[in-house]
Amino acid sequence: EDKVVQSPLSLVVHEGDTVTLNCSYEVTNFRSLLWYKQEKKAPTFLFMLTSSGIEKKSGRLSSILDKKELFSILNITATQTGDSAIYLCAVQFRGSTLGRLYFGRGTQLTVWP
Amino acid sequence: DAGVIQSPRHEVTEMGQEVTLRCKPISGHDYLFWYRQTMMRGLELLIYFNNNVPIDDSGMPEDRFSAKMPNASFSTLKIQPSEPRDSAVYFCASTRDTFYNEQFFGPGTRLTVL
Repeated sequence: EDKVVQSPLSLVVHEGDTVTLNCSYEVTNFRSLLWYKQEKKAPTFLFMLTSSGIEKKSGRLSSILDKKELFSILNITATQTGDSAIYLCAVQFRGSTLGRLYFGRGTQLTVWP
Repeated sequence: DAGVIQSPRHEVTEMGQEVTLRCKPISGHDYLFWYRQTMMRGLELLIYFNNNVPIDDSGMPEDRFSAKMPNASFSTLKIQPSEPRDSAVYFCASTRDTFYNEQFFGPGTRLTVL
């Protein structure tokens, strides 16, 4: 059973739209949640969230964590074609497998001009 | 820093052959991870090392897969014998420590087993 679930699996929008990507996780000694962007190559790091309710922001991208409801969202405003990518959510849990990240299946975002 | 280095970038082989993938982590990073990515299963952790010692190999599919880290700057993932279902992109990643846990990924090796 997947520990990290992302939705939607895919999303197609037009330039200028705002999108919200979702990531939910099961509760088992949660430590941190990370967002990655994967274009044609390797995933690249976007954000790490550990505290509930505190928004992380970078340009048009922002993310927030809700530890009570066990989810995070990634918002992208004024989307551009360069935002087309797979967005991956990963969670780290405390315990014996400290260091390991559990990845979701990802959301494939396509932005049309 | 050059980032995480992987070789080869592409590998095409025939079923039954041995395949060896290589990884050089970022200098100073104590953790090294091997992942496999497919359309069907997404990004899966195969094994990870801390200070060259394997910590969790529960993701290694079966005995055909083995990984070593003889020193802090080099790791290999070996598949012997390879099968068509092993076709995937294999990523190596490293991180300084688990507190930060921003894993830096290499460019990946695209493996095709015919």
